[in-house]
Amino acid sequence: RKEVEQDPGPFNVPEGATVAFNCTYSNSASQSFFWYRQDCRKEPKLLMSVYSSGNEDGRFTAQLNRASQYISLLIRDSKLSDSATYLCVVNSPRTGGFKTIFGAGTRLFVKA
Amino acid sequence: NAGVTQTPKFQVLKTGQSMTLQCAQDMNHEYMSWYRQDPGMGLRLIHYSVGAGITDQGEVPNGYNVSRSTTEDFPLRLLSAAPSQTSVYFCASSKYFPGTGNIYEQYFGPGTRLTVT
Repeated sequence: RKEVEQDPGPFNVPEGATVAFNCTYSNSASQSFFWYRQDCRKEPKLLMSVYSSGNEDGRFTAQLNRASQYISLLIRDSKLSDSATYLCVVNSPRTGGFKTIFGAGTRLFVKA
Repeated sequence: NAGVTQTPKFQVLKTGQSMTLQCAQDMNHEYMSWYRQDPGMGLRLIHYSVGAGITDQGEVPNGYNVSRSTTEDFPLRLLSAAPSQTSVYFCASSKYFPGTGNIYEQYFGPGTRLTVT
């Protein structure tokens, strides 16, 4: 089983739709969680951190469910510009520190 | 503030050739890392560093060397290129918290697209 797993998609949604992605992680001791966005042939960029209490940034909401070991990203009122790949990132403890593990990403296409 | 810069943007090598991918950051970040990204596999950590003079292996270190002589620079050397090293390489930097060994937001360079024939 991969340490961080995402549905690769693609998710094809119309403008204005609400779409949600989940990401599961295997290490119950994982401590910090992030969503990154990656546009085609570009570098990943941080979209938002995921806090235990959940957090919202405009149309984006991130949630953490420690009991079931997954994080989620909800996008409301999708825009054409939201089309991208969304990467789930988990920091898990290892000897001497932490290791950062990237999911393979979920592709989103928003169409007019 | 240039952030994280990488050179070259594109490179074609023949099998057996060696080369160095350059990475520099101007944010005074202690933590720097190299990833490779292949279709369907996500980013995989090659090597990382938590400060000048300190480097360690990541998930896929074989065939690559790194050094960190300054806070700003973290070059990646391919010793003898192989077709399996065809990939997109990203360098990233982050603040580092030595008390916990944790990092938070990573800032990525624009990537180097490498093809080995």
